[in-house]
Amino acid sequence: DIQMTQSPSSLSASVGDRVTITCRASQSISSWLAWYQQKPGKAPKLLIYKASSLKSGVPSRFSGSGSGTEFTLTINSLQPDDFATYYCQQYNSYSHSFGQGTKLEIK
Amino acid sequence: QVQLVESGGGVVQPGGSLRLSCAASGFSFSYGMHWVRQAPGKGLEWLAYVREDGREKYYADSVKGRFSISRDNSRNTLYLQMKRLRVEDTAVYYCAQDLVESSKFFEALDIWGQGTMVTVSS
Repeated sequence: DIQMTQSPSSLSASVGDRVTITCRASQSISSWLAWYQQKPGKAPKLLIYKASSLKSGVPSRFSGSGSGTEFTLTINSLQPDDFATYYCQQYNSYSHSFGQGTKLEIK
Repeated sequence: QVQLVESGGGVVQPGGSLRLSCAASGFSFSYGMHWVRQAPGKGLEWLAYVREDGREKYYADSVKGRFSISRDNSRNTLYLQMKRLRVEDTAVYYCAQDLVESSKFFEALDIWGQGTMVTVSS
């Protein structure tokens, strides 16, 4: 199975900051990677698919990059609504495995 | 309005069984569908996938042989039959739909339900 590892596990930042979250795959997944945002008590929300494609309706301050085994999610000019937990997920193989999550907190 | 609504969660004893349902409305049911769970305070765990026509199914190792995914396209409903439940199966269970309709490939998970809680406890 493909293992997904996110870093950091938690992150403190301020409104207006730029933050980057990294996701590494245990083997190449080409560009078959998605990023999700989850708030407490809510279902996850798809932000980015195919590593860098922005889901319709998602603010342009979110961007994704990478291919192969290393990927990043960047949030420019953090807004109060962005403080949440973020997950990466591979869908190169049937196992659709998730990273362990990165909790983004207000500094 | 595109919507997935899960039901069937509850409290069950270890070794017991439960069947979850996920009713789809507001869109064509011609998508691959998934079950994902989240234990209290933990991350997301993908569990199972079924293709649009129900012929192709995949499972996480943690539930293979105990859980079974199925769908009734005439009722626009997805199911997860869970058997031999363990305490560690306690979680919120979500159903989710593929991003791309009738895709031959694996896809990101687009629309999600609100989740249904399953508690396995004696």
